[in-house]
Amino acid sequence: GAVVSQHPSWVICKSGTSVKIECRSLDFQATTMFWYRQFPKQSLMLMATSNEGSKATYEQGVEKDKFLINHASLTLSTLTVTSAHPEDSSFYICSAIIGWDSANYGYTFGSGTRLTVV
Amino acid sequence: AQSVTQLDSQVPVFEEAPVELRCNYSSSVSVYLFWYVQYPNQGLQLLLKYLSGSTLVKGINGFEAEFNKSQTSFHLRKPSVHISDTAEYFCAVSNTGFQKLVFGTGTRLLVSP
Repeated sequence: GAVVSQHPSWVICKSGTSVKIECRSLDFQATTMFWYRQFPKQSLMLMATSNEGSKATYEQGVEKDKFLINHASLTLSTLTVTSAHPEDSSFYICSAIIGWDSANYGYTFGSGTRLTVV
Repeated sequence: AQSVTQLDSQVPVFEEAPVELRCNYSSSVSVYLFWYVQYPNQGLQLLLKYLSGSTLVKGINGFEAEFNKSQTSFHLRKPSVHISDTAEYFCAVSNTGFQKLVFGTGTRLLVSP
């Protein structure tokens, strides 16, 4: 249970184009979704937190106009990388809180999207 | 704000040997602690978590960890590793208010025959 399906798994795009990454919660309602970015051989850095029906909260240093996050429903959150450039190439992972009670609290993660901008 | 320190960036070990991956955290509030494993180009898989109760937590694949509040540590251990345990391991912390996860820098476990 508590699966987040992330698509695409990998994408190659040309510099200047936009790319949309989707995360769908398959068997639960994801009130809160987190978006992380991971550079090769590095840790996961939180980019933003999105709550269903409201604007995303971005971490310091993350360009909100470049990384557009939409969380219009309880089962779908999207990250759009606008006007992508080679430096945006990275591994992007979404995550949702599951088990909101203190006994079952945890997080589930999407399988990640490898973005390569050429 | 919380932070997590994983002092060992890489830990080489021989198959069937025991291993300990170290994790220390910093927080001014009560925390939840997690260990995740990541294989190349994949998402994260939960190994174990500490929410409350017994400080010794047992997880999947024979891993366990002990929460030590006085030393602010949550070290991961396995008594006998396999080749298939070769992966990246991340320690993470969140406060108990249903907030974001903060990750350590990761430890690469390299198991050789």
